[in-house]
Amino acid sequence: QSVLTQPPSVSEAPRQRVTISCSGSSSNIGNNAVNWYQQLPGKAPKLLIYYDDLLPSGVSDRFSGSKSGTSASLAISGLQSEDEADYYCAAWDDSLNGYVFGTGTKVTVL
Amino acid sequence: EVQLVESGGGLVQPGGSLRLSCAASGFTFSSYWMSWVRQAPGKGLEWVANIKQDGSEKYYVDSVKGRFTISRDNAKNSLYLQMNSLRAEDTAVYYCARGSEVDVWGKGTTVTVSS
Repeated sequence: QSVLTQPPSVSEAPRQRVTISCSGSSSNIGNNAVNWYQQLPGKAPKLLIYYDDLLPSGVSDRFSGSKSGTSASLAISGLQSEDEADYYCAAWDDSLNGYVFGTGTKVTVL
Repeated sequence: EVQLVESGGGLVQPGGSLRLSCAASGFTFSSYWMSWVRQAPGKGLEWVANIKQDGSEKYYVDSVKGRFTISRDNAKNSLYLQMNSLRAEDTAVYYCARGSEVDVWGKGTTVTVSS
């Protein structure tokens, strides 16, 4: 059972903006960096955002991350069909002494 | 090019053992924490274990403590996961991943625990 909670799914039309929430606690998001991953169907996950809001080289700037208190968010602007994937937040948890992933959110482009 | 290649997966009976390997290339392996992450069929991602650069610190998810052992050989640029007393719920794709940010992933190796 994951300690980071995400909505199971979000959907939006092409060129629109979607936001995915990730709710945690003081032992994880509240005290550690949040990372976000994109997993395309049948593929390995890929790092999308690190240290709350930083983009790795090569990742489109249509993706952005933010954090406030014990919650984090991933925004995707200018939604494209290629963005259809599962998205996971993650953070180190000081109480569990482990890296925890969110429950995952499936993004559908209508 | 930074690359992680897992191997060692397969079909094993409940109670059996398996050793996964991960070959790293394209970066200074000895400078990074390394992790194993798994994904059961149709399920989300689950972090399994990680290990410090020199192997002096190791952390495990509760469900594998006492059964799995993570290790590394910096001279061989390799990461390992020894899995004992395997259960059906350990069935998953196992990914090798780099760093505390888990920023680079391998393609994964499939472990199936079934009689």
